[in-house]
Amino acid sequence: AQSVSQHNHHVILSEAASLELGCNYSYGGTVNLFWYVQYPGQHLQLLLKYFSGDPLVKGIKGFEAEFIKSKFSFNLRKPSVQWSDTAEYFCAVDGSSNTGKLIFGQGTTLQVKP
Amino acid sequence: GAGVSQSPSNKVTEKGKDVELRCDPISGHTALYWYRQSLGQGLEFLIYFQGNSAPDKSGLPSDRFSAERTGGSVSTLTIQRTQQEDSAVYLCASSLEGTSGAYEQYFGPGTRLTVT
Repeated sequence: AQSVSQHNHHVILSEAASLELGCNYSYGGTVNLFWYVQYPGQHLQLLLKYFSGDPLVKGIKGFEAEFIKSKFSFNLRKPSVQWSDTAEYFCAVDGSSNTGKLIFGQGTTLQVKP
Repeated sequence: GAGVSQSPSNKVTEKGKDVELRCDPISGHTALYWYRQSLGQGLEFLIYFQGNSAPDKSGLPSDRFSAERTGGSVSTLTIQRTQQEDSAVYLCASSLEGTSGAYEQYFGPGTRLTVT
């Protein structure tokens, strides 16, 4: 079965620090990969996605992620975080059953100190 | 346009009672998904609808859980004889279509279910 692993459960950074959140998935076939963000009190919303093409994808609010097929990884990065980036971040991969269902990682809580 | 809406936003029920959770997807979205978000289990897939049919029910945790979708739009998730372990936030998402996985899923605000 597919699974997604996020290595960092709780990250605390100061403003302007660089961010990298790890995500690894287990599936040998073609995958679609996603990062979702949930700001306090808000809905889950899409940060960025990878379907094909350039493995370096850019999302909203200055976030980017790199798909490394050989490492089964899709790490999220941001060069300089802001206090407003405080949120929970979820990596997800679509299921292999052609339904588009998402398999989520456990999530990473990011706390940015002003 | 309007996003995915869910009702109620909060539901407190006694153990053993039945509950119904409602999801209104974005107009025109043929794919609809239910997920559950709980402290111990994270975000789990429950069921997927394409139109009114549910080709993937693999995430439903027991036969106490069922869902239907009518008119290719509104969906209802029903939990019978609720148990305390059913306490969670139930999220609904919709997308233009689901078969390719290539469309963004838009999530609703969720229904927080508490079973006492």
